[in-house]
Amino acid sequence: DSGVTQTPKHLITATGQRVTLRCSPRSGDLSVYWYQQSLDQGLQFLIHYYNGEERAKGNILERFSAQQFPDLHSELNLSSLELGDSALYFCASSADRSWGNEQFFGPGTRLTVL
Amino acid sequence: AQTVTQSQPEMSVQEAETVTLSCTYDTSESDYYLFWYKQPPSRQMILVIRQEAYKQQNATENRFSVNFQKAAKSFSLKISDSQLGDAAMYFCAYRSSFGNEKLTFGTGTRLTIIP
Repeated sequence: DSGVTQTPKHLITATGQRVTLRCSPRSGDLSVYWYQQSLDQGLQFLIHYYNGEERAKGNILERFSAQQFPDLHSELNLSSLELGDSALYFCASSADRSWGNEQFFGPGTRLTVL
Repeated sequence: AQTVTQSQPEMSVQEAETVTLSCTYDTSESDYYLFWYKQPPSRQMILVIRQEAYKQQNATENRFSVNFQKAAKSFSLKISDSQLGDAAMYFCAYRSSFGNEKLTFGTGTRLTIIP
């Protein structure tokens, strides 16, 4: 158990819908990262938040958005869902901005868009 | 942009034997971090081992060790005394020491352990 929690574990929805994925980092971790794992694109970085502020964006679609709240939990919002958005979405957290700090991964949320 | 290449989509090894998984990367940076992550059927991402580029000594964690060749931009993972529980997807990952802290992953190698 990494200490990072993600809810829900599984999500099945229809095209055009909107969903919210939730992540709670390890106690004390200020950084939250979101990654997408799909069959055709592999593991890809989406976005990084540090202590409530966006730090870096990766290959995140405009239909996707994220935020980190004062209690440090984070939410990834996916809207106007398409079949290709079906993937495993991971959240990871790390302690601070010290270089090389390990990123601890949550169990992931499996999203299926029908 | 950095890229990570894992040229072996699948590997297999007899239980108790040794196997080496390959990883190469491309970067113009001189300081960075390299990681091997394991993803078993549960899909959980588990850190196996990490290497700081400025350290010449190869990292070792119990049965897992790396061969880090900075000039060749190569970072292979050796698993000794392979066990059934080692069966998983293994991902090599790169992280810059500057700026963006994201992990850049390779496409993975699926390791099968033959009893």
